[in-house]
Amino acid sequence: DAGVIQSPRHEVTEMGQEVTLRCKPISGHDYLFWYRQTMMRGLELLIYFNNNVPIDDSGMPEDRFSAKMPNASFSTLKIQPSEPRDSAVYFCASSPPGRHSGNTIYFGEGSWLTVV
Amino acid sequence: GIQVEQSPPDLILQEGANSTLRCNFSDSVNNLQWFHQNPWGQLINLFYIPSGTKQNGRLSATTVATERYSLLYISSSQTTDSGVYFCAVVRLQGGSEKLVFGKGTKLTVNP
Repeated sequence: DAGVIQSPRHEVTEMGQEVTLRCKPISGHDYLFWYRQTMMRGLELLIYFNNNVPIDDSGMPEDRFSAKMPNASFSTLKIQPSEPRDSAVYFCASSPPGRHSGNTIYFGEGSWLTVV
Repeated sequence: GIQVEQSPPDLILQEGANSTLRCNFSDSVNNLQWFHQNPWGQLINLFYIPSGTKQNGRLSATTVATERYSLLYISSSQTTDSGVYFCAVVRLQGGSEKLVFGKGTKLTVNP
């Protein structure tokens, strides 16, 4: 299996521009997570989906952030308009059914976002 | 929400040394995992260990759920063990299964 695939790996954008991050989870996994990592705040969960349905979006920082999962193999995280404080590494992760029976979570390699 | 505290924040070792990393959590948990983030940023899960002890090569982990802590042991450390080790927990509440991460322990293993 190719693992969780994220794109782009690196993006530098100007303040005010729209940013779209993409994720393809591992086939057969029904949970998908978006995390953000910064030096100040560490790893924070932004939102997670189960069977393509958003379950908990309480970590989404503000209305500028939105996430969708139109099907089981694709999700997007959008920031519009972007601000310098959004600069971070954004990780997508997925996990299979029966998480709490011992299956674990698998992370993508991250999307490194810099907003100037 | 649940709090996850890891110690020490930084650890420097010589190759071959052993180490113990600690994770304390503020409430009962349904899930606890240890991760390693390598210097390139990749996050790899090491153990799923809500309770008990597990071993995988030079690494082992023990979680004492009743006392709300977990330990990660690294024996005969190698330079490739360098990186940040994260503990993460889930407490099922209101239908939510958020994996909450600690701040991590940054390990540097010198040759």
